[in-house]
Amino acid sequence: NAGVTQTPKFQVLKTGQSMTLQCAQDMNHNSMYWYRQDPGMGLRLIYYSASEGTTDKGEVPNGYNVSRLNKREFSLRLESAAPSQTSVYFCASSVGRVRNQPQHFGDGTRLSIL
Amino acid sequence: SQQGEEDPQALSIQEGENATMNCSYKTSINNLQWYRQNSGRGLVHLILIRSNEREKHSGRLRVTLDTSKKSSSLLITASRAADTASYFCVDTPLVFGKGTRLSVIA
Repeated sequence: NAGVTQTPKFQVLKTGQSMTLQCAQDMNHNSMYWYRQDPGMGLRLIYYSASEGTTDKGEVPNGYNVSRLNKREFSLRLESAAPSQTSVYFCASSVGRVRNQPQHFGDGTRLSIL
Repeated sequence: SQQGEEDPQALSIQEGENATMNCSYKTSINNLQWYRQNSGRGLVHLILIRSNEREKHSGRLRVTLDTSKKSSSLLITASRAADTASYFCVDTPLVFGKGTRLSVIA
């Protein structure tokens, strides 16, 4: 029972490079989320998808795009990476479209941009 | 955006002691959730307490909710080294605070 799987676990990019972070869940959840976590901070929501085919901006969407490929997969793309995007990125999912349901998290992608 | 605020920011205790963390929030809620994050890992959902509940237990965890004071507390009894982690309360959907860093010293 994998839960939420994120790939890759670590990545180093140069400024201006592009990158797609992958996330997949095997719990048949409708809603999926992308967060970033910076040192000493809580999580900040980048984008979320309440259901397949829909996506919405969160608190810090600038510089990112997302794709809800199907019910299982939700990817996050950095088109032109900047050092300010150095962070740990977490993907999460929850059962339904009600947003205050418990979320299940992956173990994160640690991204460094030089 | 609204978010739960955990207090204290950091807490260090001896193994076997109880640990209490507090959370204050600003708006009315449907429920309040607590999460744990071990170093280098994702968050794990611990417990959800609904607005019409005052106390909830799960193993060594006890959560209380006081809607009149807009506050909640998480009590971990008989703490273990493995409880060392950051703990977050979430009142508003999709908004997380900075958490309480708990260190349990063996």
